[in-house]
Amino acid sequence: VQLVQSGADVKKPGASVKVSCKASGYSFISDDINWVRQAPGQGLEWMGWMNPNNGNTGYAQKLQGRVTMTRNPSINTAYMELSSLTSEDTAVYYCAKSGDQGFDTWGQGTLVIVSS
Amino acid sequence: SFELTQPPSVSVSPGQTARISCSGDALALQFVYWYQQKPGQAPVVLIYKDNKRPSGIPERFSGSSSGTAVTLTISGVQAEDEADYYCQSSDSSGTWVFGGGTKLTVL
Repeated sequence: VQLVQSGADVKKPGASVKVSCKASGYSFISDDINWVRQAPGQGLEWMGWMNPNNGNTGYAQKLQGRVTMTRNPSINTAYMELSSLTSEDTAVYYCAKSGDQGFDTWGQGTLVIVSS
Repeated sequence: SFELTQPPSVSVSPGQTARISCSGDALALQFVYWYQQKPGQAPVVLIYKDNKRPSGIPERFSGSSSGTAVTLTISGVQAEDEADYYCQSSDSSGTWVFGGGTKLTVL
């Protein structure tokens, strides 16, 4: 079971970033995919969840209107897009699948740097 | 949403027992999960549904709950247990929340 994320990215303030998360080793549509971010030296912040089977989503209130989670079941890949970036969005972004045992599998993380 | 409160740091000597607390009003109604994160690595689930241990997690890690407070206990702490620990829970709407994290230092 593995989640492999896209590589690091650098964006200018006001831009958008899209991070991918490719699943393998299990049925992609069986477990929700969550996105969690971690700013430098800070704790974990849950961003939202997506049901890969039907595309239903739920977002953290703080990010409503700026975050969009989608998927392409044909290639077992989930996506997280965050818009209107500011320096406060500089962080490592993780995807993690959630099952009966919590967030049981995590991607390796994607560093997104927002800088002018 | 709700908040989960953890102590910022806990220090113990090797072989001793470390206890990391996590409190929040909603904990009385929802399960709690615990994660370990070492520098530069993704978190790993240690405890799920308050007190269950995934396969491969050493028995020295255990979880307990009492009302709105839960505790992660690490018995016989080893140097390799030095890491950040996070509790996690959800509310009735499916929103997940992490505690602020506790840095465990093995003296």
